[in-house]
Amino acid sequence: AQSVTQLGSHVSVSEGALVLLRCNYSSSVPPYLFWYVQYPNQGLQLLLKYTTGATLVKGINGFEAEFKKSETSFHLTKPSAHMSDAAEYFCAVLTNTGNQFYFGTGTSLTVIP
Amino acid sequence: KAGVTQTPRYLIKTRGQQVTLSCSPISGHRSVSWYQQTPGQGLQFLFEYFSETQRNKGNFPGRFSGRQFSNSRSEMNVSTLELGDSALYLCASRDQPSYDTEAFFGQGTRLTVV
Repeated sequence: AQSVTQLGSHVSVSEGALVLLRCNYSSSVPPYLFWYVQYPNQGLQLLLKYTTGATLVKGINGFEAEFKKSETSFHLTKPSAHMSDAAEYFCAVLTNTGNQFYFGTGTSLTVIP
Repeated sequence: KAGVTQTPRYLIKTRGQQVTLSCSPISGHRSVSWYQQTPGQGLQFLFEYFSETQRNKGNFPGRFSGRQFSNSRSEMNVSTLELGDSALYLCASRDQPSYDTEAFFGQGTRLTVV
């Protein structure tokens, strides 16, 4: 069985501060991990993904995430928050058959000017 | 290249009615998945279609059904609507259901059941 846990349903950071959104996964097989962002009244947009290879993954808008197998984590970071980063962020794991995502419950990011 | 198109964007239905939602994937994509998003349950997988065949189904009652046409467009149907079916329904389009193909999501259909 696969599942994802996002710690912190709400995170607030000041503009220019580090963004850290936490994600831990549970998977009986090598996981395929994703971060998606959702803006109000919009669908999900892919930020980055880990499938194989390098464990530090760089995505769009300056975000990156590191796959740590020993900690079963895939935390999302951005060195300097921007007002436009305010959104809902979802961590997800894809089944090894590739046909179903399991999403975390989401983290709402607020950026304080 | 046009994105994933979901229609309608908003729907208001009465309990007991049925509803059909539509999803047109990106041109050339043959895999369409459906997800239900609610504040309480988050994003939950409904079903996935690939080349007109349902390959996987989530844990939803039989009132939820879907299909995919030869042009890859997909519809989902919910019969005998309940208040708890109020949600944002998202459709995801992929070239094929593989771990290394990106899923593109539509803007969703917001269904309100009154």
